[in-house]
Amino acid sequence: DQQVKQNSPSLSVQEGRISILNCDYTNSMFDYFLWYKKYPAEGPTFLISISSIKDKNEDGRFTVFLNKSAKHLSLHIVPSQPGDSAVYFCAARSGGGSNYKLTFGKGTLLTVNP
Amino acid sequence: GAGVSQSPSNKVTEKGKDVELRCDPISGHTALYWYRQSLGQGLEFLIYFQGNSAPDKSGLPSDRFSAERTGGSVSTLTIQRTQQEDSAVYLCAGGGRSNYGYTFGSGTRLTVV
Repeated sequence: DQQVKQNSPSLSVQEGRISILNCDYTNSMFDYFLWYKKYPAEGPTFLISISSIKDKNEDGRFTVFLNKSAKHLSLHIVPSQPGDSAVYFCAARSGGGSNYKLTFGKGTLLTVNP
Repeated sequence: GAGVSQSPSNKVTEKGKDVELRCDPISGHTALYWYRQSLGQGLEFLIYFQGNSAPDKSGLPSDRFSAERTGGSVSTLTIQRTQQEDSAVYLCAGGGRSNYGYTFGSGTRLTVV
């Protein structure tokens, strides 16, 4: 039972254009959502997060949008750069107190062409 | 150290052998997580430590898998009698008390032949 789904395994965009990465989830108890970026042979690195009580969070070229009613979030990268080419994982946090767990999607490979 | 360190970076083992994977987290990170990524899959949660105790072991796929953490620091993940389906990248991550974004190590690529 996949609680966090990234339905697009890959996405290709031109440099300078917008990249939109999508993520759907099923568990309404998730309270935080995060995006991680992963280069080959490296561990994932935290990119940006959003609380379930917000609908938008922006950090430079990266913006995450959350639509709770649709259980959908998206990551927008604008303008896209070749160095953004990586696998992007959507993750959702559950738990409480000092016991949290992240549930990850399968990832989307973003390729930004020069 | 400056980051989460995992060793070995690569491990090839014969089916049926036991393996130990090590994670050395960032000093002060009380929470430690193990995940694995099999080919074509997302990151699969295995186990979570808070200090030396493991309040959530729900992701361990079978009783061949075990993990421990000593001194609130180094953790080892042990896989006994390895099977080919255990082949994956095993990732360790640490997080501070208020850190929503975990810091991951580079992982151990395990290949069971």
